[in-house]
Amino acid sequence: DAKTTQPPSMDCAEGRAANLPCNHSTISGNEYVYWYRQIHSQGPQYIIHGLKNNETNEMASLIITEDRKSSTLILPHATLRDTAVYYCIVRVQGGSEKLVFGKGTKLTVNP
Amino acid sequence: DVKVTQSSRYLVKRTGEKVFLECVQDMDHENMFWYRQDPGLGLRLIYFSYDVKMKEKGDIPEGYSVSREKKERFSLILESASTNQTSMYLCASSYTFPNTIYFGEGSWLTVV
Repeated sequence: DAKTTQPPSMDCAEGRAANLPCNHSTISGNEYVYWYRQIHSQGPQYIIHGLKNNETNEMASLIITEDRKSSTLILPHATLRDTAVYYCIVRVQGGSEKLVFGKGTKLTVNP
Repeated sequence: DVKVTQSSRYLVKRTGEKVFLECVQDMDHENMFWYRQDPGLGLRLIYFSYDVKMKEKGDIPEGYSVSREKKERFSLILESASTNQTSMYLCASSYTFPNTIYFGEGSWLTVV
């Protein structure tokens, strides 16, 4: 079962920041927070992951609260191509552990 | 960039046919995975492999087999396709550590 809770849908205006929340109140000390997105009819795309520090890459920023019970994925300047389902996942790093996706958040970026 | 390539994007097969889905990754990843994704059921693991010639059953292996003769290639085989195997099939790969999983674009299989 997925260990995360996300809102089912969100809207964002093109050019604005999209902030996608995720609750993971039962996260263990050795579990990382991963974010993927899936554009319709395509395979999931890896975005970013982190343990406890905030992370940034060319796609997004990840903000993890100090107690690690929640996190926020930030797309700084959303475009129409960012319309997708976004999945927040917690998992240990290492080994061949499979992914378990929850229902995710459907983000719609509006012109 | 990591590249996971699935050989066929769209396939239509007849019931009873043998179906091969091929996947190649270019990152020298140890782990490779086959998932299927269906509306309302999410992502379900069929098989995974952590080394050449090694395989482990996932959650739904019935009706499927796999082959990993080379590190970069992982094949999914439907021995006798059935209509309930109509789905999107996703190949993925990762290192053992760190084990960020990267997916291919998916193969849409329709069995008629």
